[in-house]
Amino acid sequence: AQSVTQLGSHVSVSEGALVLLRCNYSSSVPPYLFWYVQYPNQGLQLLLKYTTGATLVKGINGFEAEFKKSETSFHLTKPSAHMSDAAEYFCAVSALIQGAQKLVFGQGTRLTINP
Amino acid sequence: NAGVTQTPKFQVLKTGQSMTLQCAQDMNHEYMSWYRQDPGMGLRLIHYSVGAGITDQGEVPNGYNVSRSTTEDFPLRLLSAAPSQTSVYFCASSYSIYYSSYNEQFFGPGTRLTVL
Repeated sequence: AQSVTQLGSHVSVSEGALVLLRCNYSSSVPPYLFWYVQYPNQGLQLLLKYTTGATLVKGINGFEAEFKKSETSFHLTKPSAHMSDAAEYFCAVSALIQGAQKLVFGQGTRLTINP
Repeated sequence: NAGVTQTPKFQVLKTGQSMTLQCAQDMNHEYMSWYRQDPGMGLRLIHYSVGAGITDQGEVPNGYNVSRSTTEDFPLRLLSAAPSQTSVYFCASSYSIYYSSYNEQFFGPGTRLTVL
């Protein structure tokens, strides 16, 4: 079975500081991994995804994530936080189960940016 | 393209009432799904559909019913609302899920439901 654990339900950083949101996964098959962002009162939108190939994945708005199989991790980073990055972030793992895609989400991390 | 649309945006129900949450997409996506979002629990899959006429249960299906008569629409029915169903509900769709587990899912804006 697949599962995702996000370390820290709430992360607070200063504007301009490094953003690091942690995600660890468990999967019995090669995982496909996603980061989604949810701005207040909106639906989720895709930040980036890892399928196969290069382990460092670049996404929108300057975010990137690195797939580390040995650590079963897929942490999200951004070198310099901006006020507009304040949102909730969800890590998810996907796998084919009986021919259908199932997305399993972590519990989410709320990112606050301090001026 | 409007993408994935959901109605209503907000709804308040009394215990025992029934209602239908509407979801539509105009991207000709085969796969549609319903999630509920609760604080500290992320999103959990309620039901999903891999095409018109085909639906299946997700992680938390009890108390909910779905059908898919067209590619575009995937309504979620609450049969007899309970306070435990107070949540934010998201509909999502993607192009195809067969033998491809990395298609991006597109999410609607959500329906915030309160059951008193």
